[in-house]
Amino acid sequence: GAGVSQSPSNKVTEKGKDVELRCDPISGHTALYWYRQSLGQGLEFLIYFQGNSAPDKSGLPSDRFSAERTGGSVSTLTIQRTQQEDSAVYLCASSWTSGGTDTQYFGPGTRLTVL
Amino acid sequence: EDQVTQSPEALRLQEGESSSLNCSYTVSGLRGLFWYRQDPGKGPEFLFTLYSAGEEKEKERLKATLTKKESFLHITAPKPEDSATYLCAVPPRNAGGTSYGKLTFGQGTILTVHP
Repeated sequence: GAGVSQSPSNKVTEKGKDVELRCDPISGHTALYWYRQSLGQGLEFLIYFQGNSAPDKSGLPSDRFSAERTGGSVSTLTIQRTQQEDSAVYLCASSWTSGGTDTQYFGPGTRLTVL
Repeated sequence: EDQVTQSPEALRLQEGESSSLNCSYTVSGLRGLFWYRQDPGKGPEFLFTLYSAGEEKEKERLKATLTKKESFLHITAPKPEDSATYLCAVPPRNAGGTSYGKLTFGQGTILTVHP
């Protein structure tokens, strides 16, 4: 069956460039989450969507980071003017609802390297 | 603020040598705890959800248990294919007392099982 998919799987960019990361959730899942995993760090929450709304953006590290979700499905995380500290694996997850006990299913991640 | 601490950071076992991983948490109110397995270069894979103290769940060689302050992941007679990073996570609770989806993760335990 189709799980959460993310693209690209790897992205290498130069400092100062903008990047877009895409997430396709499991069909029917209304909640979508973005996390970041850096070397030596745990998974760090960035933002979550319920439908097309983002009730919690508290984890976005700066205003260079933004995300949107359209049609209650695909989401795009955009990082503007990338910095070397943005290098990390960006993980997307989805769940049936945003209720805390709903299982979140993760995609394979996008590994971002900023040179 | 919710905190999740996992121990040990790394665990090396011989094939067949049973052991336990610990996940302790300081959260206000128990509202569920998740265990995930993460292989190198992949996203976390869901293992278990535990909802209340005293609950136990099993899957193959893994058994997860939950008390009011910690959870254990017991690995019985592990095999090399059980080698992975094991993560635990808890959802927050909002002011209304219900939980919602953003997960707080521990740093993980890196398990290596030698043949």
